Amino acid sequence: GDSVTQMEGPVTLSEEAFLTINCTYTATGYPSLFWYVQYPGEGLQLLLKATKADDKGSNKGFEATYRKETTSFHLEKGSVQVSDSAVYFCALKGSNDYKLSFGAGTTVTVRA
Amino acid sequence: NAGVTQTPKFRILKIGQSMTLQCAQDMNHNYMYWYRQDPGMGLKLIYYSVGAGITDKGEVPNGYNVSRSTTEDFPLRLELAAPSQTSVYFCASLGGRNTEAFFGQGTRLTVV
Repeated sequence: GDSVTQMEGPVTLSEEAFLTINCTYTATGYPSLFWYVQYPGEGLQLLLKATKADDKGSNKGFEATYRKETTSFHLEKGSVQVSDSAVYFCALKGSNDYKLSFGAGTTVTVRA
Repeated sequence: NAGVTQTPKFRILKIGQSMTLQCAQDMNHNYMYWYRQDPGMGLKLIYYSVGAGITDKGEVPNGYNVSRSTTEDFPLRLELAAPSQTSVYFCASLGGRNTEAFFGQGTRLTVV
């Protein structure tokens, strides 16, 4: 079945550092890909998405490009802030059904 | 905008007790999901529904039941609670193919 593999954490960075979280997927067809963020004590909220190959999703300085050839959707941010401290989840929605599959999540801590 | 509402936020159950976790959405979404989140394990899909009267099992359905009598509501029933069901439960809804899922705030359940 469809699945998502995400870089394990935790990740600790200094403010203004560059952040990359790797995400690769296994799926048939052309799934939709998402990054969700979870702040402490809250539910998940959408950070960005891409629905077809070569699409780039972006939001709040974060970016991710849907790479069909490498089945990847890596999350990047050029200069992180303390407020970016959260758990980040890569997710996939299958092209043939509406199941949502999530990666294990990556905890990111940004220190001032 | 209420979005997805889950109740209760917290609950402690004794082994063998039963309870229903409530989930309601006011966005007229057809697709709804129940996940559990265990520390460091990401989100595991318990059950999902593609419309009123239609439900299907996810990855970890054992020990749970669902129903979907209306578009708005998707309750999750735990029968004979076990310590292994201690987790944070999230409900989500989805409007359509190229849209994102919206999550509730979660229910933290402890079985003792």
